[in-house]
Amino acid sequence: NAGVTQTPKFRILKIGQSMTLQCTQDMNHNYMYWYRQDPGMGLKLIYYSVGAGITDKGEVPNGYNVSRSTTEDFPLRLELAAPSQTSVYFCASSYGGQLHGYTFGSGTRLTVV
Amino acid sequence: DQQVKQNSPSLSVQEGRISILNCDYTNSMFDYFLWYKKYPAEGPTFLISISSIKDKNEDGRFTVFLNKSAKHLSLHIVPSQPGDSAVYFCAASDEAQKLVFGQGTRLTINP
Repeated sequence: NAGVTQTPKFRILKIGQSMTLQCTQDMNHNYMYWYRQDPGMGLKLIYYSVGAGITDKGEVPNGYNVSRSTTEDFPLRLELAAPSQTSVYFCASSYGGQLHGYTFGSGTRLTVV
Repeated sequence: DQQVKQNSPSLSVQEGRISILNCDYTNSMFDYFLWYKKYPAEGPTFLISISSIKDKNEDGRFTVFLNKSAKHLSLHIVPSQPGDSAVYFCAASDEAQKLVFGQGTRLTINP
């Protein structure tokens, strides 16, 4: 059981480039989330989805886009990368029970230079 | 505006003793509180949670205490073990099921 899989694990982007961070879960969870973690800070919610075809903004959505065409996949798109987007990105999923928490992927470390 | 705060960036505890990690929140609409543990180069893993209708939840060596009037929760680890060395995040959720995280506390267990 793979859980939540994120690719790539590391990436260096030049300012203005675009990329897609991939996230796949095999637990048939309806809820999926994208967070970013900056040094010394907690995780900030970028976007989330409560099911296929439904997405909504979190706390820090600017500069990002998402789609949810299937239950399993929740890719995060960065358009026109900026140095402020240098961060570690975590994808997570849950079945919706609040007391059981999220299952997180291992993260993507992105550097924009 | 930091709705969930962990004011201690780091904590060092001797092996076998009790570790106490603290967390404060400001939003009275939070109904559920969770603790996550994170090792380097890994994603956070769920540790323990508590509903706002309770004041204590225990799971093995881990106990979470909730003081709603003070908007404060804490995680107790007894006895502390070297494998407990990690960054611990507290998180809070409202009915929208979105988690808001604190900044994290780095716990180091010394032999």
